[in-house]
Amino acid sequence: EAGVAQSPRYKIIEKRQSVAFWCNPISGHATLYWYQQILGQGPKLLIQFQNNGVVDDSQLPKDRFSAERLKGVDSTLKIQPAKLEDSAVYLCASSLTGRTEAFFGQGTRLTVV
Amino acid sequence: QQQVKQSPQSLIVQKGGISIINCAYENTAFDYFPWYQQFPGKGPALLIAIRPDVSEKKEGRFTISFNKSAKQFSLHIMDSQPGDSATYFCAANPQGGSEKLVFGKGTKLTVNP
Repeated sequence: EAGVAQSPRYKIIEKRQSVAFWCNPISGHATLYWYQQILGQGPKLLIQFQNNGVVDDSQLPKDRFSAERLKGVDSTLKIQPAKLEDSAVYLCASSLTGRTEAFFGQGTRLTVV
Repeated sequence: QQQVKQSPQSLIVQKGGISIINCAYENTAFDYFPWYQQFPGKGPALLIAIRPDVSEKKEGRFTISFNKSAKQFSLHIMDSQPGDSATYFCAANPQGGSEKLVFGKGTKLTVNP
């Protein structure tokens, strides 16, 4: 079974630029999560989708971050404009439902300079 | 109240020794306590989890001890091996599964040969 796929693996951008990350969850998984993991800290949930609807985006900085999950499969997370403090690994995870184990992708390491 | 406090930040153990990582929480609504293992460049992976109706859960060399009255739980790795070298995160959520997970800051474990 293929795992959660994320791209790109690494991205370096200048502050105030925009960036987008892509996630392809495990086939059949209805729930998709985006997490932010700052160096030396645990993952922090940014947004949770159930199919193509948003379940929880309470910790998403909506002035600069946006996410969508068209057709309830792939998802993209966008940052515009990026700030230095956005430097982190962005992890995508998926699960069959919100009540089952989540499987994480390898993440995208973003460096904002 | 949403925090999960984890200690130590880093841990060095000799091969064959016991590794112990501790976590504490405040939110009494938390009802599910998983531990995740993360290798460099990889996403976290579920290692073992416990619910507060039991005080201990063992899976192979990994044991979770849970103290509901103290609101603390810990991970014990028996006969630690160099392959166990990774970062370990405790987490908690109110209802099991993968929704609303709150992660600790992580413990970097190094097992020396």
